[in-house]
Amino acid sequence: QKEVEQNSGPLSVPEGAIASLNCTYSDRGSQSFFWYRQYSGKSPELIMFIYSNGDKEDGRFTAQLNKASQYVSLLIRDSQPSDSATYLCAAEHAGAGSYQLTFGKGTKLSVIP
Amino acid sequence: GAVVSQHPSWVICKSGTSVKIECRSLDFQATTMFWYRQFPKQSLMLMATSNEGSKATYEQGVEKDKFLINHASLTLSTLTVTSAHPEDSSFYICSAIDRSGGGLQDTQYFGPGTRLTVL
Repeated sequence: QKEVEQNSGPLSVPEGAIASLNCTYSDRGSQSFFWYRQYSGKSPELIMFIYSNGDKEDGRFTAQLNKASQYVSLLIRDSQPSDSATYLCAAEHAGAGSYQLTFGKGTKLSVIP
Repeated sequence: GAVVSQHPSWVICKSGTSVKIECRSLDFQATTMFWYRQFPKQSLMLMATSNEGSKATYEQGVEKDKFLINHASLTLSTLTVTSAHPEDSSFYICSAIDRSGGGLQDTQYFGPGTRLTVL
């Protein structure tokens, strides 16, 4: 069974600090990984995706993937109160063209002004 | 990023009535769309996979006769909640796959969601 695990939090960081969000996945066949941000009462919003080992940077966000350890992380630099949300990690196993995502339960991040 | 719309954004209906929710991909064609449900403070639950021109694939425990899905075109999928009851009250979210990036860059974008309240 495909599973994606995240620490539910809440993770509290002071404004300006680096927030580190972690995620592990069980299915070695997973090929692409996504980070979504979900504000309360809103639908998920894509932050970034990664499919190659290593780091991928986009503005204040850096995604890291280690397929050997089955580990994905998201770093948010210079955290802002507006970053306070639930962050969802998702793994895609595009087997047989399904393109389904398996979501973690999300980590709630709180950035303290 | 790609844009996915949903209509209506919220709906209140009486028990026993049917409600139709539309999901549209606005700037790309989506052969595959997904329907999720999310209860308060819970994670997303995949209900079904909607494939253009074919029958939807429902997840275990989701009643296909209650949640009717139609994906008649490459930009539109609809979810009809038939004979809605208060326990169907939830946040329904669709998503669509943008495959223009190709292969591993295929990306799933979410609609803004529809909040359904059944009285």
